[in-house]
Amino acid sequence: DAKTTQPPSMDCAEGRAANLPCNHSTISGNEYVYWYRQIHSQGPQYIIHGLKNNETNEMASLIITEDRKSSTLILPHATLRDTAVYYCIVKGSGANSKLTFGKGITLSVRP
Amino acid sequence: DGGITQSPKYLFRKEGQNVTLSCEQNLNHDAMYWYRQDPGQGLRLIYYSQIVNDFQKGDIAEGYSVSREKKESFPLTVTSAQKNPTAFYLCASSWTVNTEAFFGQGTRLTVV
Repeated sequence: DAKTTQPPSMDCAEGRAANLPCNHSTISGNEYVYWYRQIHSQGPQYIIHGLKNNETNEMASLIITEDRKSSTLILPHATLRDTAVYYCIVKGSGANSKLTFGKGITLSVRP
Repeated sequence: DGGITQSPKYLFRKEGQNVTLSCEQNLNHDAMYWYRQDPGQGLRLIYYSQIVNDFQKGDIAEGYSVSREKKESFPLTVTSAQKNPTAFYLCASSWTVNTEAFFGQGTRLTVV
């Protein structure tokens, strides 16, 4: 069963921020939120992950709500190369925890 | 050049034949994974290995087999028992099962 809910698609203009939402209302206290993206016909690429604090790296920012039931991935200045399927994944830290991919959200960046 | 190498990129086989997909990593990662992706779908876990000489079934292991004799290699065999083998196969590795995974570029298998 999917632990996350994402809208199927969204678009944004090149150069603007892309804010990708994810709902994970049943997340447990020891589960992390991971984001990956997959450009067409390539392997998924790790973007960022977090537990409860907001996180930022060279690719994106991850904002997790205080109740941890939802999060937003922010691409600050989207480019055409950011067009991809973005997967929001909830994953625990135990030995048997695994990355489970849903259908993700297709982000289309328009010129 | 560090990374995960899957070969070949495209593979064609006749129905009823076993086929082995290669996955090699030089990242010194302990954990390795195999996923399958069908058109318009997310990835589904076939097998994973936390350490050399150990592997576990994932969600859709039927019709597949793996081995982990070396840390850097995790080959996947698609057997004739797999009913719908045509798919995009992705290999990944990570330091442990609790760290982020890095993926290869995939092998697209077509069985005719």
